[in-house]
Amino acid sequence: GDSVTQMEGPVTLSEEAFLTINCTYTATGYPSLFWYVQYPGEGLQLLLKATKADDKGSNKGFEATYRKETTSFHLEKGSVQVSDSAVYFCALSDRRYALNFGKGTSLLVTP
Amino acid sequence: GAVVSQHPSRVICKSGTSVKIECRSLDFQATTMFWYRQFPKQSLMLMATSNEGSKATYEQGVEKDKFLINHASLTLSTLTVTSAHPEDSSFYICSAAPEGRVLQMTQYFGPGTRLLVL
Repeated sequence: GDSVTQMEGPVTLSEEAFLTINCTYTATGYPSLFWYVQYPGEGLQLLLKATKADDKGSNKGFEATYRKETTSFHLEKGSVQVSDSAVYFCALSDRRYALNFGKGTSLLVTP
Repeated sequence: GAVVSQHPSRVICKSGTSVKIECRSLDFQATTMFWYRQFPKQSLMLMATSNEGSKATYEQGVEKDKFLINHASLTLSTLTVTSAHPEDSSFYICSAAPEGRVLQMTQYFGPGTRLLVL
């Protein structure tokens, strides 16, 4: 079945450092891919998405490109801030529009 | 923005009792709602998909008689854990897809409900 694998955390970075969180997927067909973020005490929020190969999703300085050839959707940000500290989930949607999540990567950004 | 609430945020109950969790879309109508379960340090696992006015569709391995889902209106879905046992302790999260936007895969998530069964 469909699945998502993302890098284990926690990831600790200094403010203004470059961030990469790896995500790879296995799926039949052509899923849409998502990154969700969960801030402490809050619900999951959609960060960005891409619906077809080579699409780039971007939001709040974060970017991810749908790479069909490598089945990847890595999340990147050029300069992280303390306020980016959260748990990040990579996900794909299946034919039923439900979401299939990775395990989540905890990010801590220190001043 | 679209807001989804869950009530209660946390609940502690005795083994053998039933617990009801509500999921509400506060400022939009949701044709479809999803229920997920999250174990510590693990990903969210889809339990069931509920569509307003029809029976929920359960994922393989999820006992439909144990996890009763009712989607009686376009703004409310409930999950009832019947005869709860300690192994049902988990974090339950719902999401709601706005009416007419399911195909766009837009979902809004509730903050989750922490269930602890003693």
